Amino acid sequence: GAVVSQHPSRVICKSGTSVKIECRSLDFQATTMFWYRQFPKKSLMLMATSNEGSKATYEQGVEKDKFLINHASLTLSTLTVTSAHPEDSSFYICSASLGGNTEAFFGQGTRLTVV
Amino acid sequence: GIQVEQSPPDLILQEGANSTLRCNFSDSVNNLQWFHQNPWGQLINLFYIPSGTKQNGRLSATTVATERYSLLYISSSQTTDSGVYFCAVVAGYALNFGKGTSLLVTP
Repeated sequence: GAVVSQHPSRVICKSGTSVKIECRSLDFQATTMFWYRQFPKKSLMLMATSNEGSKATYEQGVEKDKFLINHASLTLSTLTVTSAHPEDSSFYICSASLGGNTEAFFGQGTRLTVV
Repeated sequence: GIQVEQSPPDLILQEGANSTLRCNFSDSVNNLQWFHQNPWGQLINLFYIPSGTKQNGRLSATTVATERYSLLYISSSQTTDSGVYFCAVVAGYALNFGKGTSLLVTP
């Protein structure tokens, strides 16, 4: 199957700083990638759809100024958590597919801890 | 939006036992996938199965799209099968996840 790589896998940052998470499709081009958030022992919630060359589409309740998404190439999407606070601590995971309704593949996820 | 319900929420099995996990969804779907989330959080693709039946080793899955449900079968369970199993469906553009079934297989 297709490979999606996410980096870093774990990050600890101080409150007020910004953190960037990268999501790469290694062996295919992805015009669309998706960012999810997962709280402990909970399901995955879609945060936003990352569109190559255009603005991201955010789900209701997700602050677009806090969670900046940039999809500058067909193989890379980044999620920047700006002015992070302890309540932003969570597991963030990205996904991509070959397009349409084909099988989706996920990155390894990033565990963010804001102290 | 589409609702995805998984059952049971928790399951404890003894090694060697079989189990069936269920996923009900509230509307027609274009894609349905089953995942196993390992202890490190990574989602492992098990099946891409919008309809029909597939088998992969001790695992198999069946989706009856007309009746809006999917089943995941685990046979001869092993301790390494422990973890959370998610069903996810696409009704528009992105996967919508159920709440998962947390499986613990004991020796």
